[in-house]
Amino acid sequence: AQKVTQAQTEISVVEKEDVTLDCVYETRDTTYYLFWYKQPPSGELVFLIRRNSFDEQNEISGRYSWNFQKSTSSFNFTITASQVVDSAVYFCALSEVRAAGNKLTFGGGTRVLVKP
Amino acid sequence: EAQVTQNPRYLITVTGKKLTVTCSQNMNHEYMSWYRQDPGLGLRQIYYSMNVEVTDKGDVPEGYKVSRKEKRNFPLILESPSPNQTSLYFCASKYGTETLSGANVLTFGAGSRLTVL
Repeated sequence: AQKVTQAQTEISVVEKEDVTLDCVYETRDTTYYLFWYKQPPSGELVFLIRRNSFDEQNEISGRYSWNFQKSTSSFNFTITASQVVDSAVYFCALSEVRAAGNKLTFGGGTRVLVKP
Repeated sequence: EAQVTQNPRYLITVTGKKLTVTCSQNMNHEYMSWYRQDPGLGLRQIYYSMNVEVTDKGDVPEGYKVSRKEKRNFPLILESPSPNQTSLYFCASKYGTETLSGANVLTFGAGSRLTVL
């Protein structure tokens, strides 16, 4: 069964600090997809990134970067030079290709609080 | 604008009073799903639908019903709500139903916060 663990429930930083969010996943499938979503205080879920299991290249998008390591089943997310607008709950999620109903399994989320 | 629309956004009700949360998408997506979000548990899937008239249970279906009579609509029905169904609910949709559509990105509605007293 697929499982996603985000061990950090809450992280508090001061603006301009870097923050790394950990995500560890479990799957028996060889083909799967990993996602990160952001949930700002307004409550909606915003898609950030998708990565497939065959692509271990790290990715950078502005101040956001992602480190995918199959060897440790991790897909960590780093915010560089954090800003107050980064304050949100961040969810890591996993989709197994063969999962019934194409289910997206979420981790428990990490709340990031960026203080000015 | 491509979107998933849920209503109501906020609702306070009492135990046992039937309610329906509507969900509609304008992207012609085949796949729709309902999730509930609870603190520390992330989002958990309640029901999903691969296409019209095709629905199935997710991880936490107890106490809920769904229907998919039209492609764009996927209402969530609580026949007899109980306090443990107090939660934040999200409807989502995505393109495709075949196996590899697991790669497709889910588009979420804005959420419906339900309180059952």
